[in-house]
Amino acid sequence: NAGVTQTPKFRILKIGQSMTLQCTQDMNHNYMYWYRQDPGMGLKLIYYSVGAGITDKGEVPNGYNVSRSTTEDFPLRLELAAPSQTSVYFCASSRGLAGGPDTQYFGPGTRLTVL
Amino acid sequence: AQSVAQPEDQVNVAEGNPLTVKCTYSVSGNPYLFWYVQYPNRGLQFLLKYITGDNLVKGSYGFEAEFNKSQTSFHLKKPSALVSDSALYFCAVRDDSSNTGKLIFGQGTTLQVKP
Repeated sequence: NAGVTQTPKFRILKIGQSMTLQCTQDMNHNYMYWYRQDPGMGLKLIYYSVGAGITDKGEVPNGYNVSRSTTEDFPLRLELAAPSQTSVYFCASSRGLAGGPDTQYFGPGTRLTVL
Repeated sequence: AQSVAQPEDQVNVAEGNPLTVKCTYSVSGNPYLFWYVQYPNRGLQFLLKYITGDNLVKGSYGFEAEFNKSQTSFHLKKPSALVSDSALYFCAVRDDSSNTGKLIFGQGTTLQVKP
């Protein structure tokens, strides 16, 4: 199992450009999440999905969009990049249990800089 | 609202000495607590979790954590630190206000183990 994979590893965008951060998991997990990590701030949830076709906003969704057409993939879209979106982005996934979602497993991250 | 606090930005310890990384939490129901470690330029790796049961939880790489309900704490411990343990450590609590598995993270504690 590759686990959770993310592409690209690094990206530099100009203000106003758009891009899609890719996330794929091969563990057949129902739950998937996008977080951003800013220095000294921990991780903040952007969007999450409880299964294919179902997504919802997290703490900091403004400026982002997601889709979940398959169990494996959960891409994050930035439409009009702004300097405030400079961050490290992590995708995570977890399986569902009777008592709720299990442990989250994280991808290696995408480091995004907006200039 | 649920929250997690890591009161120390950095913990310094000599190799071979015991280490403790502190975490306190605030939840409205039963706490589901996690510790993750992040090595430089890497994603988060799961160390251990507390869901229910024994207050002392054992995890990966020789780490353990002690759940203390009366003090609302979940401190990470290791009897003998290694230089290779130097990393950024995150405590997290699962937000159970909805059955989505969302994690709320502390701001992180940098552990520095010196030879």
